[in-house]
Amino acid sequence: GDSVTQMEGPVTLSEEAFLTINCTYTATGYPSLFWYVQYPGEGLQLLLKATKADDKGSNKGFEATYRKETTSFHLEKGSVQVSDSAVYFCALSDRRAAGNKLTFGGGTRVLVKP
Amino acid sequence: EAGVVQSPRYKIIEKKQPVAFWCNPISGHNTLYWYLQNLGQGPELLIRYENEEAVDDSQLPKDRFSAERLKGVDSTLKIQPAELGDSAVYLCASSLGGRARNEQFFGPGTRLTVL
Repeated sequence: GDSVTQMEGPVTLSEEAFLTINCTYTATGYPSLFWYVQYPGEGLQLLLKATKADDKGSNKGFEATYRKETTSFHLEKGSVQVSDSAVYFCALSDRRAAGNKLTFGGGTRVLVKP
Repeated sequence: EAGVVQSPRYKIIEKKQPVAFWCNPISGHNTLYWYLQNLGQGPELLIRYENEEAVDDSQLPKDRFSAERLKGVDSTLKIQPAELGDSAVYLCASSLGGRARNEQFFGPGTRLTVL
């Protein structure tokens, strides 16, 4: 079945540092790929997405590129802020399947210190 | 526009007691999802509704879990009786439906603690 693997946290950074969170996936179909963010005490929010190979999703300074050859969708941000402290989830959805079921990775907690 | 509303936000019960969670999706969203999120893990789908019909409940432990979505709007997820291993966050999400409108919007979740 489909699966998502992402680097374990916590990842602790200083403000303005470069952030990378690795995500790789296994899927038999043609997945769309997503990054969700969960701020403390809040629900998951869609951060960015990509629906086909070589697409780049971007939002709030975060970027991720759909790499079919390496089955990866790594999240990057060039200069993090304290407000980026959250848990980040990589996920996929098989576009051929009904219902757009999301398969999530285990999440990566990011802590940005001032 | 109001987001997905869930209540209660927190619930503490003793094992073998029943518990229920309520979800109000975003207005107009036909598809509703219940997810289970164990500590330190990503959410896992329990059940998906298209309007009032449960179209994917393959991951729902039917011996103790039940769900309903009367009138295709609000939904309730119930556990009876609760076990210690049910301690987790229960997330509700909704989407417009259809493959072209597949973004899921999540509620804040209900954190259940079973003692």
